[in-house]
Amino acid sequence: QKEVEQNSGPLSVPEGAIASLNCTYSDRGSQSFFWYRQYSGKSPELIMFIYSNGDKEDGRFTAQLNKASQYVSLLIRDSQPSDSATYLCAVNLMPFSGYSTLTFGKGTMLLVSP
Amino acid sequence: SAVISQKPSRDICQRGTSLTIQCQVDSQVTMMFWYRQQPGQSLTLIATANQGSEATYESGFVIDKFPISRPNLTFSTLTVSNMSPEDSSIYLCSVREAPYFNSPLHFGNGTRLTVT
Repeated sequence: QKEVEQNSGPLSVPEGAIASLNCTYSDRGSQSFFWYRQYSGKSPELIMFIYSNGDKEDGRFTAQLNKASQYVSLLIRDSQPSDSATYLCAVNLMPFSGYSTLTFGKGTMLLVSP
Repeated sequence: SAVISQKPSRDICQRGTSLTIQCQVDSQVTMMFWYRQQPGQSLTLIATANQGSEATYESGFVIDKFPISRPNLTFSTLTVSNMSPEDSSIYLCSVREAPYFNSPLHFGNGTRLTVT
């Protein structure tokens, strides 16, 4: 059973702080990792993806991947109230059968207070 | 990234009826993915729709309940059949950003279904 685990939160941070969101996954064969943001009543939108161990930065967002420990994290610097949303972690398994699918965690709710 | 349009955006249906959800993409894609998001839950893959072949269903989902059509490379439909209140969910159509397996998924705006 492939699993993706996230703390459901809510994670509360003040405006301007760094928000740290964590995700662990069970399948060592996972090859690619994605972070989605989902506002209430909306569909998920892609924030970042990472394939290799280490850090990947994009603006205020940094994704961190540690395959040995099977975790991936998302850091949001200078958090803004508009960042308040649920953040979904998703992993993609290397295909053996010809195609692959994404498995999603349940998401962490982030609340950024002004 | 591709523009994905879903219709209807929401609907309220009576139990025992069926609803067909349409997904239109502005570019040709090999695979289209249908997900369900139940209230307070994360996304669960229902099936993968390939053009010209039968859809591949995930464990717990069957064709009789969720028939899928994929008549061409830009369009797919998902039908939720013989609905019950437990089918109340958001249904999402998605496609890959690029034609390789590691490519991120992008989602349509979703169909919010309420079954009474």
